[in-house]
Amino acid sequence: AQSVTQLGSHVSVSEGALVLLRCNYSSSVPPYLFWYVQYPNQGLQLLLKYTSAATLVKGINGFEAEFKKSETSFHLTKPSAHMSDAAEYFCAVSESSGYNKLIFGAGTRLAVHP
Amino acid sequence: DADVTQTPRNRITKTGKRIMLECSQTKGHDRMYWYRQDPGLGLRLIYYSFDVKDINKGEISDGYSVSRQAQAKFSLSLESAIPNQTALYFCATSDLASGRTGELFFGEGSRLTVL
Repeated sequence: AQSVTQLGSHVSVSEGALVLLRCNYSSSVPPYLFWYVQYPNQGLQLLLKYTSAATLVKGINGFEAEFKKSETSFHLTKPSAHMSDAAEYFCAVSESSGYNKLIFGAGTRLAVHP
Repeated sequence: DADVTQTPRNRITKTGKRIMLECSQTKGHDRMYWYRQDPGLGLRLIYYSFDVKDINKGEISDGYSVSRQAQAKFSLSLESAIPNQTALYFCATSDLASGRTGELFFGEGSRLTVL
């Protein structure tokens, strides 16, 4: 069965500092991997996705993530945090073989302070 | 206007009441989903539908039912609400292409409180 583990339910960084949000997955078949972001009082929106092409994936708002099969990881990074990056971030996995439902991690709330 | 619209956005109700959450979409997608979000648990799938005649249970369907009234409309019902159904509910959509890769498009959520 597939699963996703996000390390750290809360992460706090200073404005301008590196953002690193960790995600590890478990899947018996090649996965598709996603990061979604949820801003306050809004629905989730796709930040970036890995679908078996390039292992380094670039998303919106300067975020990127690297798929590392050997480490079963898909960590999200941004070189320099903005106040506007404060939100909750969800890692998710689905199986690449045909349709399968998305399995979400528990989420990481990112706080950015001046 | 939002592509995926949920009503109501907020609802407070009492134990035992019947509640319906509605979702409509203008994206033309055939696939629709209901998720529940709880703090520390992420999002969990309640029901999903590939088309009007196709309804499937997700991982936490007990206590819930759904109706796909049209391609664009998918409603979630709680026949007899209980306090542990207090949560944030999201409707989402996808088409064949995006659904194959797991990309979903979400509404803004319906916050339900059961007293």
